[in-house]
Amino acid sequence: RKEVEQDPGPFNVPEGATVAFNCTYSNSASQSFFWYRQDCRKEPKLLMSVYSSGNEDGRFTAQLNRASQYISLLIRDSKLSDSATYLCVVNKVTGGGNKLTFGTGTQLKVEL
Amino acid sequence: EPEVTQTPSHQVTQMGQEVILRCVPISNHLYFYWYRQILGQKVEFLVSFYNNEISEKSEIFDDQFSVERPDGSNFTLKIRSTKLEDSAMYFCASSETRAAYNEQFFGPGTRLTVL
Repeated sequence: RKEVEQDPGPFNVPEGATVAFNCTYSNSASQSFFWYRQDCRKEPKLLMSVYSSGNEDGRFTAQLNRASQYISLLIRDSKLSDSATYLCVVNKVTGGGNKLTFGTGTQLKVEL
Repeated sequence: EPEVTQTPSHQVTQMGQEVILRCVPISNHLYFYWYRQILGQKVEFLVSFYNNEISEKSEIFDDQFSVERPDGSNFTLKIRSTKLEDSAMYFCASSETRAAYNEQFFGPGTRLTVL
């Protein structure tokens, strides 16, 4: 089983649509969870951290279910500028820092 | 806003040659990382570095790889004898603490092409 599993997409949606991405992870010892965004041939950039209580940042809502080892991201009112690959990332804290494990990413294309 | 920088942006080398990829982490950060991303694949952890030593490394980080912090600002990744399969984007990252939700900031990457 992959450590972090995501549907690769692509998800093609019209502007203004709501789109949801899901992710599962296999290591129950994972300690923190994130969604990163990656534009083509660029570095990953943190979109938002994901907490068990769920959290929202503007049009973006993230949820974590530790029991099911499941993470989700909801994007409301999609914009053209949301087109990117969304990376589900889990973190394990080690003595020397944080080891991030990435999913393969879900590609989103927002169209006019 | 402080950022992680990497040089060069693109490095082309012949198989068997040594390459050194350079990174300048954010100045008050203490934890440093290298990741790689083969074209079309996921980002993969290579190594973490703290207090002038490697704290964790992946199976990818074999004896051909080494890291160093030669001075107070640079953090380097050396590949001793490059192979075709080392062709990838290499990202450096840094974080201030090792708290679980402390953000890792990524540099823009170095695209390594091995011919």
